[in-house]
Amino acid sequence: DTEVTQTPKHLVMGMTNKKSLKCEQHMGHRAMYWYKQKAKKPPELMFVYSYEKLSINESVPSRFSPECPNSSLLNLHLHALQPEDSALYLCASSQVERQGYTGELFFGEGSRLTVL
Amino acid sequence: AQSVAQPEDQVNVAEGNPLTVKCTYSVSGNPYLFWYVQYPNRGLQFLLKYITGDNLVKGSYGFEAEFNKSQTSFHLKKPSALVSDSALYFCAVRDGDYKLSFGAGTTVTVRA
Repeated sequence: DTEVTQTPKHLVMGMTNKKSLKCEQHMGHRAMYWYKQKAKKPPELMFVYSYEKLSINESVPSRFSPECPNSSLLNLHLHALQPEDSALYLCASSQVERQGYTGELFFGEGSRLTVL
Repeated sequence: AQSVAQPEDQVNVAEGNPLTVKCTYSVSGNPYLFWYVQYPNRGLQFLLKYITGDNLVKGSYGFEAEFNKSQTSFHLKKPSALVSDSALYFCAVRDGDYKLSFGAGTTVTVRA
């Protein structure tokens, strides 16, 4: 069983909607990640938080807005999305063993987003 | 940049036969290599990693991988495949702070 919990599992939204994806982990990991994955493709890194601070933004459009309220929670706020943003959004967490180097990633089951 | 390549889009094997999923890497310095598996409609699951030490790495679900520096390979193996091993497999390499570079993925189908 995964120890990274993502909600909702499925989300359908219109291009004018505002919604949020949520992720929670209780493994004491201090790095948390958002990935986007299209069908049968490898995941693409979007954002990384390390010790609750945004460490990496992979030039993601501003219609995606991450938030890390505390060390266990990670949100992804969605606004004015496009149909091409439809994908599986994966949250992951990992230990930080030294600056920038992490252990293996633990992924959630993902939130499948459809933008109409 | 560090990268990995998975030369096979698809691997088909019969249940009970050995399973090999290939991965080659291109890095400067010492590679940190990983294998992940993704079952249908699920997230990725960590199988094993190589950082240093013994070239034969044992992982979850009976999988192992052999690090070969001369051939720059890190192939995933299982001596006897199960139907339940049917999934999408990703090789990955550490590529900078907090980053992994994933291969394109290999779909494994194990027929009964």
